[in-house]
Amino acid sequence: QKEVEQDPGPLSVPEGAIVSLNCTYSNSAFQYFMWYRQYSRKGPELLMYTYSSGNKEDGRFTAQVDKSSKYISLFIRDSQPSDSATYLCAMRDSSYKLIFGSGTRLLVRP
Amino acid sequence: EAQVTQNPRYLITVTGKKLTVTCSQNMNHEYMSWYRQDPGLGLRQIYYSMNVEVTDKGDVPEGYKVSRKEKRNFPLILESPSPNQTSLYFCASRPMGTERENHEQYFGPGTRLTVT
Repeated sequence: QKEVEQDPGPLSVPEGAIVSLNCTYSNSAFQYFMWYRQYSRKGPELLMYTYSSGNKEDGRFTAQVDKSSKYISLFIRDSQPSDSATYLCAMRDSSYKLIFGSGTRLLVRP
Repeated sequence: EAQVTQNPRYLITVTGKKLTVTCSQNMNHEYMSWYRQDPGLGLRQIYYSMNVEVTDKGDVPEGYKVSRKEKRNFPLILESPSPNQTSLYFCASRPMGTERENHEQYFGPGTRLTVT
């Protein structure tokens, strides 16, 4: 079993929709949670990070962490075609090593 | 401009022919690492380095070597490439400092390697 599970998609939504992306994990020692966005033919870039449980909002993006369920989410409000990309969750414990999910491909249709 | 650069961006080679993929960062970051990205498997760490002359194995180090002679450079070496090393490779760097900075990992643009 992988340490981090993520549905590969693709997820196709109309412009303006609310998008929900999710990851589950098995290691209860994880305490730092991140979302990276990767456009085609580009390297991943950090979008959001959260420490421990709770919510964090940044513009149209909201990251949620539920440590009791070992479940993290990224919500995108008012989705735009420019949001079309692969979204990777990542997490780590107190070490520097990041564990990545396999990524969910999102397509926002105009 | 703060960036991580990789060269070459695309490479097709044959089994057994030694190759090096270069990685350079201009942000004075201590921590650098190499990942490979394969469909369905996500990003897997090959090697990492926490400072000059300090390197360590990641999750999938077999068949790879690295060196860190200078802070800015972290080349990935495939001494005898094999077809199962066909993949998309990313170099990344980040500072080792405050909590926020620990998460801000900067990735290079990627190197697509095909070994026939």
